[in-house]
Amino acid sequence: GQSLEQPSEVTAVEGAIVQINCTYQTSGFYGLSWYQQHDGGAPTFLSYNALDGLEETGRFSSFLSRSDSYGYLLLQELQMKDSASYFCAVGLQGGKLIFGQGTELSVKP
Amino acid sequence: GAVVSQHPSWVICKSGTSVKIECRSLDFQATTMFWYRQFPKQSLMLMATSNEGSKATYEQGVEKDKFLINHASLTLSTLTVTSAHPEDSSFYICSALRVPGANVLTFGAGSRLTVL
Repeated sequence: GQSLEQPSEVTAVEGAIVQINCTYQTSGFYGLSWYQQHDGGAPTFLSYNALDGLEETGRFSSFLSRSDSYGYLLLQELQMKDSASYFCAVGLQGGKLIFGQGTELSVKP
Repeated sequence: GAVVSQHPSWVICKSGTSVKIECRSLDFQATTMFWYRQFPKQSLMLMATSNEGSKATYEQGVEKDKFLINHASLTLSTLTVTSAHPEDSSFYICSALRVPGANVLTFGAGSRLTVL
């Protein structure tokens, strides 16, 4: 089976940097993805790591270490609009994604 | 590019009725679509994998006779919740494989089902 662990909630202030960690156990692994979801909305794709290392996309970066079954999402220069739930997801064969429980990020002024 | 349209965005129905939700890939062909369900403040739970021209593959614990999935074309998959009951009330979200070979999905806007 698959299991993913990420913190349930994180609070930070505007302009700060926050890191959301994700550890996983899975049989079969094709990559780690990160999605953002605002209340009542659909998940939107943020980043995808198939190989070890850091992927940078604007203010967001994602890291993967396959040997440690660990990844993180780094959000820089936090803005109020970044308040949302963030999900890590393990990619399996055939494009299937299994999601973690999500981390609720609250950005304070 | 890579837009997925889902309809209806919300629906209220009486207990015992069936509800159909449509998921369309607007600007690309999707041989594979996925259906997820999400309860409030919870994760997205994969229900089934929908493959064009073949039977859907259901995750463990998901009743295939209750959640009928049809993927009749490369741009359309439908989920029918049959004989809906209040416990089926949830947010149903479809997604399509955006980049073949990479686990990157594009999600529809979701359909919020309320069963009275």
